[in-house]
Amino acid sequence: GQQLNQSPQSMFIQEGEDVSMNCTSSSIFNTWLWYKQDPGEGPVLLIALYKAGELTSNGRLTAQFGITRKDSFLNISASIPSDVGIYFCAGEETSGSRLTFGEGTQLTVNP
Amino acid sequence: GAVVSQHPSWVICKSGTSVKIECRSLDFQATTMFWYRQFPKQSLMLMATSNEGSKATYEQGVEKDKFLINHASLTLSTLTVTSAHPEDSSFYICSAYAGTRNTEAFFGQGTRLTVV
Repeated sequence: GQQLNQSPQSMFIQEGEDVSMNCTSSSIFNTWLWYKQDPGEGPVLLIALYKAGELTSNGRLTAQFGITRKDSFLNISASIPSDVGIYFCAGEETSGSRLTFGEGTQLTVNP
Repeated sequence: GAVVSQHPSWVICKSGTSVKIECRSLDFQATTMFWYRQFPKQSLMLMATSNEGSKATYEQGVEKDKFLINHASLTLSTLTVTSAHPEDSSFYICSAYAGTRNTEAFFGQGTRLTVV
């Protein structure tokens, strides 16, 4: 089946720093999604990308859908302590179908 | 966004007993619901897809007789873990899907199951 490789697995940064994480796939996805999960909670959608090359922002977050449709990255600018959590990428093969999740990036922000 | 509620948030049960987890879409009708399992420090793994009024579609390696899914209405799906064992201890998460794009899928808050 589909596999998503997400990196890095974890990041430890100082408040105010920028962060970048990415996902690559062995095959093509039609949609890329980025989620954040807090401990003991379900994932919350941050950004959805629908077209190859698309660059979308949501506040301090920016994500891009790779031209090859096999990769995506998420940037967080000027990190703050509440950015702490696990970030997951997810890919969707066709509209409304199952999601495949990356392994997650654990982000720690030191005040 | 729309609200998906899972109940209970956590449950502890004895080995051999069965546990039912509910997933409700509170303010929309969900044509499809997905059930995921997440082990500590790991990603979400899809267990099954359920469509209202029809049998669930299970992912490879997931025992359908052990993880019973019922999607009797457009607002409720249940996952029953039968004859639970300690290795079934995990975080179970549902998502409810209302439209044609995954931005219209909303996740519940998850259920922490501990089997002792």
